[in-house]
Amino acid sequence: DAKTTQPNSMESNEEEPVHLPCNHSTISGTDYIHWYRQLPSQGPEYVIHGLTSNVNNRMASLAIAEDRKSSTLILHRATLRDAAVYYCILLITSGTYKYIFGTGTRLKVLA
Amino acid sequence: EAGVAQSPRYKIIEKRQSVAFWCNPISGHATLYWYQQILGQGPKLLIQFQNNGVVDDSQLPKDRFSAERLKGVDSTLKIQPAKLEDSAVYLCASSWVSYNEQFFGPGTRLTVL
Repeated sequence: DAKTTQPNSMESNEEEPVHLPCNHSTISGTDYIHWYRQLPSQGPEYVIHGLTSNVNNRMASLAIAEDRKSSTLILHRATLRDAAVYYCILLITSGTYKYIFGTGTRLKVLA
Repeated sequence: EAGVAQSPRYKIIEKRQSVAFWCNPISGHATLYWYQQILGQGPKLLIQFQNNGVVDDSQLPKDRFSAERLKGVDSTLKIQPAKLEDSAVYLCASSWVSYNEQFFGPGTRLTVL
C-alpha cells in the first residue's frame, strides 16, 4: 500500500506560518495528494488536495515537490483553532479510489 | 447542507455482545465509507459502498463485522460478537463520487469491556 511519512508532532506560535511536511516516495503518477485535519473528538475534515501543481484555498496552501515524492501543507497564520492532527493521504486511483491514512502530525499552537 | 449523521455517539458493551452503528450520509452522495480509528492511529477503511453495492471490503473482518446500505442511502455497521480489540471510534464518511473529498461524521466511540 502507498504510504506517507509525517513527523509525529510539531509546534507553532499563534499568528505565525506553519509548514507541515510529508514524504510519499512510493507515489504513482496518477495518485492525488490530499490533506485532512482532525480536531479533538471530531471526524476528519478536508483541507486541500493536489496532483502536480501547487494549490491554494481559503484554508491553506499545498506545495508539491517537482518529483512529487514530498509535499508541504502551509498554514499562513496559525490560530489556536488550527490545533489538530493533520493527515497527509494519497488517494490511490488504480482500482477502487481509496484513502490510506497514516498516523498524522499533531500540531500544537502556542498562544 | 446537513452533514453526515451517526448514532449512537457512544456505546459501551461487554465482549461477546453485539452492537450496531447507523449512518445517514449527505443527501445525494453516492459513495459511503466506514472507518475504524483506534486511539492514536489514523482511520482505517473497513468498507466502501458505491450506491448500495460494495466496492471494497478487503479490510473488514468478515467473521464478525457486517455492513449494509439498503436503497443506497443509510448504512448500518454491525459487530457480532465484539472483542476487546474492537474498542475504537467508528467513522462514517460520504462523497459525491469516490474521488471527491470525503465528509466525515462525528463518529461512534465504542468501548468493549
